[in-house]
Amino acid sequence: EVQLVESGGGLVKPGGSLRLSCVGSGFSFSSSGMVWVRQAPGKGLEWVSSLARDSSHIYYADSLKGRFTISRDNAKNSLYLQMDSLRDDDTAVYYCARIPVAGQWYFDLWGRGTLVTVSS
Amino acid sequence: EIVLTQSPGTLSLSTGQTATLSCRASQSISRNYFAWYQQKPGQAPRLLIYGASSRATGIPDRFSGSGSGTDFTLTISRLETEDFAVYLCQQYGTSPPTFGLGTRVEIK
Repeated sequence: EVQLVESGGGLVKPGGSLRLSCVGSGFSFSSSGMVWVRQAPGKGLEWVSSLARDSSHIYYADSLKGRFTISRDNAKNSLYLQMDSLRDDDTAVYYCARIPVAGQWYFDLWGRGTLVTVSS
Repeated sequence: EIVLTQSPGTLSLSTGQTATLSCRASQSISRNYFAWYQQKPGQAPRLLIYGASSRATGIPDRFSGSGSGTDFTLTISRLETEDFAVYLCQQYGTSPPTFGLGTRVEIK
C-alpha cells in the first residue's frame, strides 16, 4: 500500500524540542521530494518546509526563523522534522506529504498527521 | 505571500446537485500552478486537481477545475454523499505555497 505514516507528536512545554518522523512505503521514497505542512486547530494549512529527493535543496517558511530542521534518510524511507524552541503557536497537526513533480509544490500523497501540542 | 480567498464559506446542497466553489488569489498565479484538495474531519487532505484543471489519479470526472490568473473554480457535478467535505485551494506558482481557508460543502 502506498502510504506515509507520521509519528513523534505529543505534548511539549514552550521552549522545548520535538522530532517528528515520517515513513513512506509502497513507492520509491528516494525519488520524491517531500514536505511538511501543518494545520493549527481550526485554521488553514500552512507549508512548513520542503526537501529535495537527494537533500540538495531545502526550504523553510520564513515564520520559522531557523527553529526547525528538515532532513531525510532514504535508506530508511524516512523524513524528519526537528523542532526546537517551540512556541504555543506551533501547536498543530503536522502532515508529511509527497511532491510528485520536482519544482511543482503540489502534494499528491499525505500522511494522516501527528499532533503537536505546545503548552505549559 | 499570495493570499487565497475561498467563497462561499459554506455551500448547502443536496445529492445530485452541482457545487461551484471559487478561489481568488491576491495576485496572478504563474503557469496555472493551482491545486484543489478535499479534506474530511480527522483525515489528511486528498489531492483532487493540479495544474488548475488536471485531475489527480483516481479522481472521478465529476470533479473539474478551471480558471487562470487570479480566479479559479472547482466544480463538482452530481454530488454524492462522500463528496460532502471541506475543499481547499492551493497555489504553488510563487513561493511560499499557500492555501485557502476552505469551503465546506454540507448536506442540505
